[in-house]
Amino acid sequence: GAGVSQSPSNKVTEKGKDVELRCDPISGHTALYWYRQSLGQGLEFLIYFQGNSAPDKSGLPSDRFSAERTGGSVSTLTIQRTQQEDSAVYLCASSYGGQGAVDGYTFGSGTRLTVV
Amino acid sequence: AQSVTQLGSHVSVSEGALVLLRCNYSSSVPPYLFWYVQYPNQGLQLLLKYTTGATLVKGINGFEAEFKKSETSFHLTKPSAHMSDAAEYFCAVSGSTGNQFYFGTGTSLTVIP
Repeated sequence: GAGVSQSPSNKVTEKGKDVELRCDPISGHTALYWYRQSLGQGLEFLIYFQGNSAPDKSGLPSDRFSAERTGGSVSTLTIQRTQQEDSAVYLCASSYGGQGAVDGYTFGSGTRLTVV
Repeated sequence: AQSVTQLGSHVSVSEGALVLLRCNYSSSVPPYLFWYVQYPNQGLQLLLKYTTGATLVKGINGFEAEFKKSETSFHLTKPSAHMSDAAEYFCAVSGSTGNQFYFGTGTSLTVIP
């Protein structure tokens, strides 16, 4: 696609429910990144994919968080048993090759997750 | 390890005035430095970047930034603010593994007519 697409754009869920957030990167971008942006804070790195593998998942805050990527394209971030502190904007970005941190990423518009 | 400090979470300037957004970084390796802008309800858009070469880099929308190694700074400037510049600005430094950014906490720019 022309840009990084994320869905849904907004999600309200009840505490304890599971949610899935989707990211469709730019066609041909092999690297994909998930970040979390909490109110009043900067962007927190969650996980990085190169192709379908995740060489760096050091930012996932707990074992309730997981992510996968299939076919070297779409990625899904899953949060199990959501808590109120999970409320944030989840941003996805992609880049060509593994040089995103040199060339810069292209970000999606994010999914705003609210846990009530 | 890398980190970024943005001084001033909120900056207000008058339309037509100079914009100065401050960023200081910490890096144990030669840094790659970036400024991103985020408009309301949108993702982050790359404004400009420094990797190697000329220390004064120009970006989109009339913004520029200068890499000063001795001051470990990468401040963002624009000579004359427009109303459309109102947004959140993030400074970032790349990680040593080359695949991760470390972002500052952001500076919200307000432009007063």
